Amino acid sequence: DAKTTQPPSMDCAEGRAANLPCNHSTISGNEYVYWYRQIHSQGPQYIIHGLKNNETNEMASLIITEDRKSSTLILPHATLRDTAVYYCIVHYNQGGKLIFGQGTELSVKP
Amino acid sequence: EPEVTQTPSHQVTQMGQEVILRCVPISNHLYFYWYRQILGQKVEFLVSFYNNEISEKSEIFDDQFSVERPDGSNFTLKIRSTKLEDSAMYFCASSRRGQAGNTIYFGEGSWLTVV
Repeated sequence: DAKTTQPPSMDCAEGRAANLPCNHSTISGNEYVYWYRQIHSQGPQYIIHGLKNNETNEMASLIITEDRKSSTLILPHATLRDTAVYYCIVHYNQGGKLIFGQGTELSVKP
Repeated sequence: EPEVTQTPSHQVTQMGQEVILRCVPISNHLYFYWYRQILGQKVEFLVSFYNNEISEKSEIFDDQFSVERPDGSNFTLKIRSTKLEDSAMYFCASSRRGQAGNTIYFGEGSWLTVV
């Protein structure tokens, strides 16, 4: 699976959009981009995933560049409860082996 | 919303003892996984399981570990002779299918402390 690079930490004001970047320059054509988050030591929570097209669900939007070498997770109106570590994972694997990096620690501040 | 449930939430055990961590995956899922996270470290893949056999395992998943689906709903991780370094949060996960593009859902974890 391709490696990802994320900033170690970010701050965001409550109510503003949080834009979390991820670089995955070695991604191959059949690898998906997944985003998970982990609040304290709880289980990783699935947020969204995509292959080529931008995706949106009730939690977030995922913007993937045309060359697929980077992506951005957007939390449109961040709340204090969105404070967590966010993991960007690129994945193509029969069998579900997700490789977690260190992620981005997002702090949402009042 | 369906969820993966794990028991116990926290277990303290003496070194050398056997531990069984239990999981109930989401009901229509066919692929099951165990991950672990040592305090302050990354989430690490241990094993994946499909059709009553191991699909893939990591280097961490050595002979002291085993997994089983004893009935139609439970999925267990057994650690035969626990060591201090087995202290970690263990996460069970499941997905409907194994192909990329499918979503893997995690449970809240079982915190194991070996003393």
